[in-house]
Amino acid sequence: DSGVTQTPKHLITATGQRVTLRCSPRSGDLSVYWYQQSLDQGLQFLIQYYNGEERAKGNILERFSAQQFPDLHSELNLSSLELGDSALYFCASSVALPRAGNTIYFGEGSWLTVV
Amino acid sequence: SQQGEEDPQALSIQEGENATMNCSYKTSINNLQWYRQNSGRGLVHLILIRSNEREKHSGRLRVTLDTSKKSSSLLITASRAADTASYFCATDADGNKLVFGAGTILRVKS
Repeated sequence: DSGVTQTPKHLITATGQRVTLRCSPRSGDLSVYWYQQSLDQGLQFLIQYYNGEERAKGNILERFSAQQFPDLHSELNLSSLELGDSALYFCASSVALPRAGNTIYFGEGSWLTVV
Repeated sequence: SQQGEEDPQALSIQEGENATMNCSYKTSINNLQWYRQNSGRGLVHLILIRSNEREKHSGRLRVTLDTSKKSSSLLITASRAADTASYFCATDADGNKLVFGAGTILRVKS
C-alpha cells in the first residue's frame, strides 16, 4: 500500500459526460501528480501541483482540469468525455519536487471507461 | 514525446536468468528512477540514481547511469516468476515532473 488513495477505482460513463477523480496523497506529501495510462499512448504526464499551486503541465487536454485543495487532496475533472479518454488515471504524490530526488508514490489508479 | 525510451520493448527469460533493460533519455537530468508495474496496478518505485552516480545496487537490482550517453540500464539478477511486470524508467525532465518511458514488459517463465 503506497498510501496514496484514489477514488473511484472503476467508472463507466457515457460520451459527453463529466467525471471527477479524487486523490488523497500520502500523509506529509506536498506534491501531487496526475498521469494517464492507455495502451496506445503509454504513461502520459498530465499535471502537477505543489502545496496547492500548479507547477507543471503536460499533455492535458483543455477539457480536463485539476486542482489541489488546502488539505492537499486533489481532483481531476474530465468533461465532454470521448471514447478515447478511456484509460487508467493515476495520482501520485511526493514530499517535494522530483529534482530533489524524491520518490513518487502511485495510487492504484482509477479505471475510466467511456461508452 | 517521451523523455525516456526503454529497450527492449519486451523480454522473455527463464527463471534464474538475468534480465537487462535499457533506457535512453534526451535532456539533462538531476536523477533517474526505475519503476515496476504489475498488470493494471499502480507503479512501484524500485531505485533512484542521481546524475553524479554511476552505479547503484538494491538487493537483486543493479542500475547504471551514463550521463555522457544519456542512458541507464536496470539489471535484475536471478530472476523469479514474481518479477514478471512492466518496468519503466523516469527522468525529472524539468525538475518538476517525472517523465516516463514506454516501458519494458518482462516475462519470467518458471
